[in-house]
Amino acid sequence: TQLLEQSPQFLSIQEGENLTVYCNSSSVFSSLQWYRQEPGEGPVLLVTVVTGGEVKKLKRLTFQFGDARKDSSLHITAAQPGDTGLYLCAGGSGSWGKLQFGAGTQVVVTP
Amino acid sequence: DSGVTQTPKHLITATGQRVTLRCSPRSGDLSVYWYQQSLDQGLQFLIHYYNGEERAKGNILERFSAQQFPDLHSELNLSSLELGDSALYFCASQVGGGNTEAFFGQGTRLTVV
Repeated sequence: TQLLEQSPQFLSIQEGENLTVYCNSSSVFSSLQWYRQEPGEGPVLLVTVVTGGEVKKLKRLTFQFGDARKDSSLHITAAQPGDTGLYLCAGGSGSWGKLQFGAGTQVVVTP
Repeated sequence: DSGVTQTPKHLITATGQRVTLRCSPRSGDLSVYWYQQSLDQGLQFLIHYYNGEERAKGNILERFSAQQFPDLHSELNLSSLELGDSALYFCASQVGGGNTEAFFGQGTRLTVV
């Protein structure tokens, strides 16, 4: 079983601060997806990274896939209360493999 | 709106009972995945169906079963319910397999009392 470990489990910061969430595994994934989940809703895809070393930016969010495709990070610059949510990483293992989800990082941004 | 519909949204039932959760995938998506989400276990993969056929099983209990019908909607059947089965159950649809985007429904919150 390929395990994805996310850290930290919980992060509480003030509006305007930066934060980084990590997603690590001992296994290689063919792709890595990041989702955000809000209370009472299903997870919503933020980004997919597929190439080792790839960096993708989505406004104030920066996603990086490790060179060896075993780890990833999500960095949020100048966090806003609307960034509050559960951030989940998910590793894909081939065309027909299931997505393996990490346990998530709960981010709370207070005004 | 993800385009994935799950019903019911909430379900309260007693121990020992049986319930059926329903999922309609996005139009055109052939893959349906079922997940269980509880506070202490995160999002756990249960089972995957592709175009009516079971493709993969995860940590699904023998008391649970699922199927995908010709119109591609899927049902998850939970029987002999126990208190520990209380959780959020999500289905997600994808065009194909693991490397494609998963679109999640809003989930069914099951409470077993």
